[in-house]
Amino acid sequence: GAVVSQHPSRVICKSGTSVKIECRSLDFQATTMFWYRQFPKKSLMLMATSNEGSKATYEQGVEKDKFLINHASLTLSTLTVTSAHPEDSSFYICSARIAEYNEQFFGPGTRLTVL
Amino acid sequence: GQNIDQPTEMTATEGAIVQINCTYQTSGFNGLFWYQQHAGEAPTFLSYNVLDGLEEKGRFSSFLSRSKGYSYLLLKELQMKDSASYLCAFLDSNYQLIWGAGTKLIIKP
Repeated sequence: GAVVSQHPSRVICKSGTSVKIECRSLDFQATTMFWYRQFPKKSLMLMATSNEGSKATYEQGVEKDKFLINHASLTLSTLTVTSAHPEDSSFYICSARIAEYNEQFFGPGTRLTVL
Repeated sequence: GQNIDQPTEMTATEGAIVQINCTYQTSGFNGLFWYQQHAGEAPTFLSYNVLDGLEEKGRFSSFLSRSKGYSYLLLKELQMKDSASYLCAFLDSNYQLIWGAGTKLIIKP
């Protein structure tokens, strides 16, 4: 099956610092990658959709200058949380989709804690 | 508009059968997914239905009725490890997943 990795799995940082999260499709080329955020006991919230080589499409209410997404290749997308604050503490999950399939393959998630 | 609804929490007994329902409303539909999510982990794929009917996969089965905007996930021979949240999501006309809030399933011995 298709495997998606995320790094790091867990990060703790001070308020005001920036954190980069990597999402990689290990054995397939992902035409589209999705970034989700999930607060405790809440459903997944789509933050943005990114296609390789083009700008990400952000969902309403998600600050594009704060959550920088780069999808430089068909196997790698990065999410950078700039000037992180405690309210950004959450579980961030990426997923990847192959063009000819409808299923999304999820990474294991990154738990971000901002002190 | 679009919406999707599933119960917040269900409780069942080990060895029993449980059915988790999901109803949805959308103008464009490209299939319905069920995912399992254990606490602190990312969702894992369980099933995908795009045509009406029942799809069986081991202890898990998923049913879809497009005309009724209704799906269910059936779990048989429940095991303690099945305690998790079960998320239903449909693929809209833009091939974007629209997620339900998830059903937390509690299995008791």
